[in-house]
Amino acid sequence: AQKITQTQPGMFVQEKEAVTLDCTYDTSDQSYGLFWYKQPSSGEMIFLIYQGSYDEQNATEGRYSLNFQKARKSANLVISASQLGDSAMYFCAMREASGTYKYIFGTGTRLKVLA
Amino acid sequence: DGGITQSPKYLFRKEGQNVTLSCEQNLNHDAMYWYRQDPGQGLRLIYYSQIVNDFQKGDIAEGYSVSREKKESFPLTVTSAQKNPTAFYLCASGGQGSYEQYFGPGTRLTVT
Repeated sequence: AQKITQTQPGMFVQEKEAVTLDCTYDTSDQSYGLFWYKQPSSGEMIFLIYQGSYDEQNATEGRYSLNFQKARKSANLVISASQLGDSAMYFCAMREASGTYKYIFGTGTRLKVLA
Repeated sequence: DGGITQSPKYLFRKEGQNVTLSCEQNLNHDAMYWYRQDPGQGLRLIYYSQIVNDFQKGDIAEGYSVSREKKESFPLTVTSAQKNPTAFYLCASGGQGSYEQYFGPGTRLTVT
């Protein structure tokens, strides 16, 4: 069965430092997509970054990069040069390419950036 | 502007009443989804629909119902059978050729 695991319920990082949020996944599919979303206190879900299972290079979007290690089934989010506005909940998610359009979300990591 | 709208932002109901949450998208997406989020928790899938007039149960469908009569609309009814309906409800849509899900702003439902 598909599963997303985020083992860090909460993280602190100093402003301007880099931080890594962990995500491991489990799937029997060969083709799938991995996502990270940010959820500020307002509740909206903001798409950050996407990695396809066949992508050979790690995805990057501005200060966000995804450290994709397929053999270890991990898809960690790296935020460089943290800003106070990065304080939020972060969710890792997966969608399998075949069959349904169903997405599975992890339980999230609450990141607090310290001034 | 293209996007997903959910209304209302806040909703209050008395226990025992059914309530319908609205979700509309103008992104021409085939797939639409409803999620429930409890405080400090992740998103749990209630129902999803890949095409008009078809939908499937997610992980926590009991006490909820949906319809998909139009591509643009996917309303969720929280029935009186739902034991703990107070939560934050998020609607999302996705295109067949795109992996990304687009989320609405959410509806906070409080049942007393």
